[in-house]
This record gives sequence, C-alpha cells and structure tokens, in this order.
Amino acid sequence: KAGVTQTPRYLIKTRGQQVTLSCSPISGHRSVSWYQQTPGQGLQFLFEYFSETQRNKGNFPGRFSGRQFSNSRSEMNVSTLELGDSALYLCASSFGQEGETQYFGPGTRLLVL
Amino acid sequence: QKEVEQNSGPLSVPEGAIASLNCTYSDRGSQSFFWYRQYSGKSPELIMFIYSNGDKEDGRFTAQLNKASQYVSLLIRDSQPSDSATYLCAVSGSGTYKYIFGTGTRLKVLA
Repeated sequence: KAGVTQTPRYLIKTRGQQVTLSCSPISGHRSVSWYQQTPGQGLQFLFEYFSETQRNKGNFPGRFSGRQFSNSRSEMNVSTLELGDSALYLCASSFGQEGETQYFGPGTRLLVL
Repeated sequence: QKEVEQNSGPLSVPEGAIASLNCTYSDRGSQSFFWYRQYSGKSPELIMFIYSNGDKEDGRFTAQLNKASQYVSLLIRDSQPSDSATYLCAVSGSGTYKYIFGTGTRLKVLA
C-alpha cells in the first residue's frame, strides 16, 4: 500500500507571496492532519480535515488555511508569507477514528526569503 | 505547563546499552500514546503505540505506560548507532481527535 505523499518536497518563496502544499493520504484514510515543524517549536498542529470538513484547528493565524477534497487529498495554503513561516510542513493521515495511529508523509520544506 | 514534556537531550548511550526515553503528559483523559522516530531532515516514523497500562514489547523496543502517573517511556535494548535520532512522544484520545507532540529527545548511540 502506498504511503502518504506530499508535493512539492522543497519550495523557496519570498516574503509576501503565497504557497499551496498538497497531501495525498494512504488509500482508505479519510483524515488528514497538517503540522508545522521548526527547530525551536517542534511539531505544531495546524488543522485536521475529515470527510472534507475541518474537524480541528490549532493556534495559527488565518493566513494558514486548508481544504480537503472528496478523494481525501488535502491542500494547505499560506498567504502573505513571512520569514518565520520557513519550516518543514508535514501531513499525516489516518482512518479518522480517535486515538488511532497517524502516518506521516515525507514533508515539504519551505524556505521564505 | 506544556501538555507533553520530554527531555530534549541529547541522551548519549554506548552501543549495546539500554536507552531509556521518558515522556509526561498533562491531560488525564488521554487514551492513546505513540512513539515516533525522526532522523535529521526526515519525517517521523511510527515506532510503537500503547493504549493500556503496563509494558508492550516489539523487538528491541518496549513501551511502558503508567496512566496514574501520566508517564510513558520507551526503552531501546541493545542500542545501535542507527538508533541515533530524535524520538517524539505523542498523546491523543481525550475527545478532541487531536494529537499532541512533545518536542522530542535526541538520542546519540556512541559506537
């Protein structure tokens, strides 16, 4: 069974631009969670989508948004990029039952100049 | 108080020794506990999960859970240099569908 895939793997943007990241979950998984990982803050939860609905949201500004499609693929968008948005963005998928194992994709490394 | 706490390390152990990684959590309603391993520049990969009090063994890895003390640990027996990585503790299952991660413990296994 194919794992979680994320595209693109690397991105370089400049301040003020926007970016869209994509995540395809493991086949059959309906929940996709997004995380931001930086050296100083560790893994920070952005939001979770289940069956095309945002079920959970972390404490990030409104510049961070996401959506999920009917095939469970998910995208996240960051508008008006700031230098501090440079990070590894990870998505994780699961069937969506509470407390079950999440499986991570390889991540998208975003550098904002 | 952080929701999931781990010692950042680095924890250095000689090859062949037992590495003991610890994690405490604040939400008493938590039901599911996970250990992920993350190599530098890579994404987290699942090592073990544990739901019930006590020990759970999988090869060289043993997870231990004590819900009364809100404590979960990971023991790695016969540590190898390839075990050198950051180990993340994650907690879930308190009615929110959220997973809370600790900041990770960096393990260095010295050859």
